[in-house]
Amino acid sequence: DAKTTQPNSMESNEEEPVHLPCNHSTISGTDYIHWYRQLPSQGPEYVIHGLTSNVNNRMASLAIAEDRKSSTLILHRATLRDAAVYYCTVQGSARQLTFGSGTQLTVLP
Amino acid sequence: NAGVTQTPKFRVLKTGQSMTLLCAQDMNHEYMYWYRQDPGMGLRLIHYSVGEGTTAKGEVPDGYNVSRLKKQNFLLGLESAAPSQTSVYFCASSSAGYQVAGQGWMNQPQHFGDGTRLSIL
Repeated sequence: DAKTTQPNSMESNEEEPVHLPCNHSTISGTDYIHWYRQLPSQGPEYVIHGLTSNVNNRMASLAIAEDRKSSTLILHRATLRDAAVYYCTVQGSARQLTFGSGTQLTVLP
Repeated sequence: NAGVTQTPKFRVLKTGQSMTLLCAQDMNHEYMYWYRQDPGMGLRLIHYSVGEGTTAKGEVPDGYNVSRLKKQNFLLGLESAAPSQTSVYFCASSSAGYQVAGQGWMNQPQHFGDGTRLSIL
């Protein structure tokens, strides 16, 4: 599976948009991009996934670069409850995901 | 619905002891997974199962065994616990993936339990 690179930590102010970047330069043409987040003392939860087109759901938006070597998770209005570790994963032909170290998002009131 | 339930939530073992962690899901999911998470790190896949009676090795399978005798349950066994196995263990389940024409294999979202915190002295 393709390796992903994310910043270790990011900060955002409450009620402002947050853009969480992820690089996956070795991604192949049919690999899906998945995002999960892990709130403190909880298991990870699914956020969003996509292949080529930008995707939106009730939690977030996923913007995928045209060459697919990077993607950005967008939280439109960060709340204190969005403070978590965000994991970007690239799923290849294997039926499993590989999680990296993720980005610790801190939301400031 | 309870979703994914892990038992126990906490456990302390002595080196050399054995134990079994239980994962139960009530979503009729085909796939189930066991991960471990060490402090400050991401999740690493131990074993997974794509259906009742089937299991496969993940990234870090050594020292662990698994069984999927019933579709709703996935058991993780530690044969002889070692301090290096001190970790938080997460179970997850998902619907079966599928091939999207011209777009590759699509894994369904995984649903996670709240974890089992295991300390081995």
